[in-house]
Amino acid sequence: EAQVTQNPRYLITVTGKKLTVTCSQNMNHEYMSWYRQDPGLGLRQIYYSMNVEVTDKGDVPEGYKVSRKEKRNFPLILESPSPNQTSLYFCASSFGTETYEQYFGPGTRLTVT
Amino acid sequence: AQTVTQSQPEMSVQEAETVTLSCTYDTSESDYYLFWYKQPPSRQMILVIRQEAYKQQNATENRFSVNFQKAAKSFSLKISDSQLGDAAMYFCASNYGGSQGNLIFGKGTKLSVKP
Repeated sequence: EAQVTQNPRYLITVTGKKLTVTCSQNMNHEYMSWYRQDPGLGLRQIYYSMNVEVTDKGDVPEGYKVSRKEKRNFPLILESPSPNQTSLYFCASSFGTETYEQYFGPGTRLTVT
Repeated sequence: AQTVTQSQPEMSVQEAETVTLSCTYDTSESDYYLFWYKQPPSRQMILVIRQEAYKQQNATENRFSVNFQKAAKSFSLKISDSQLGDAAMYFCASNYGGSQGNLIFGKGTKLSVKP
């Protein structure tokens, strides 16, 4: 089954404790992206990757890091989480930009206390 | 800045009736794509319908159709014969044809369906 998976689905952590949210897709997509969703704000892009070893900032990159060492994986790293990073996070992938539908993962609910 | 605006935070419709969700956008690009995504309580983002800006014909997917007015920069979603399973958050989005591939989302409209 074609899908985007994220782990963990739920995470409660404390300020400053490094964490990684994994994202994996099995569709051989070149393009991958991370979004965060906050009430009343819709979804906003954090980082994106056009291919292996090619990443760039989205609209709200502060406090996040990413890496793309393999085509299928695109982990999101919070090296020192803060309460304002409490949010719902989505990973998405597609064959390319512009015309292609983006497939979303199931979301990761992160709470930073 | 590229923007997508959904002016209706909440909407309600009676089961089997028709409802229209509004969306306007602002871009100077000539080639772009517009999308409606559905987010049910499960939080999964589900693509409902897609419209290519260079196509004048409005997209249709079963009970879902759009009214695309390019000059007015308007992209509304019509849901016909509403069903209880249509209750969800609906997001309008566009990618504006940029290499960043960034989907610009509206803030969403929460749709309730009354039995």
